[in-house]
Amino acid sequence: AQTVTQSQPEMSVQEAETVTLSCTYDTSESNYYLFWYKQPPSRQMILVIRQEAYKQQNATENRFSVNFQKAAKSFSLKISDSQLGDTAMYFCAFMSAYSGAGSYQLTFGKGTKLSVIP
Amino acid sequence: DTAVSQTPKYLVTQMGNDKSIKCEQNLGHDTMYWYKQDSKKFLKIMFSYNNKELIINETVPNRFSPKSPDKAHLNLHINSLELGDSAVYFCASSQGTLGEQYFGPGTRLTVT
Repeated sequence: AQTVTQSQPEMSVQEAETVTLSCTYDTSESNYYLFWYKQPPSRQMILVIRQEAYKQQNATENRFSVNFQKAAKSFSLKISDSQLGDTAMYFCAFMSAYSGAGSYQLTFGKGTKLSVIP
Repeated sequence: DTAVSQTPKYLVTQMGNDKSIKCEQNLGHDTMYWYKQDSKKFLKIMFSYNNKELIINETVPNRFSPKSPDKAHLNLHINSLELGDSAVYFCASSQGTLGEQYFGPGTRLTVT
């Protein structure tokens, strides 16, 4: 079974600064997807960014980018120019790309609570 | 328009009761899911439902049962509620099994 580990339960960053959230995962598969989800106080789960393991290029989405190190099984999220609206729980998630029972279910890490300080 | 909706958003009930949470998606997706988020914010898959194939997480008690009247709905029925069932329950949907999952707003269930 796959596991996802987020080693930073809480982090804080000054507004306009850059912060990096860590995520490592364990899998024996070679083809899979990785995600970062954001959960603000409103409770809504919002997809921030998605990375396909077969793509070497790191995904970017505006101020959000990832550092995907497949050999190290590491998938960190960098938030540039942090804004107050970035305050939220951030979850790293894994999904297998292979067919079969349960293969398309997300496995989540325990989350990192990010606070952006004005 | 809401993509994935859940009703109710809040549900308070007593131990031993039976309750249902409804989920509807208007995205035309063919795969739906139920996740449970516990008090420590940990999210875990409970069920996924694709083309009438139900995949059940082995840790889910059989008091929980998903029911899909049609492709746009996946309701969650819970029998004999226990204190430990208190959590936030999220419904999600995707197009295909590898599509992006869109989440509903969650239902906070409190069992007293």
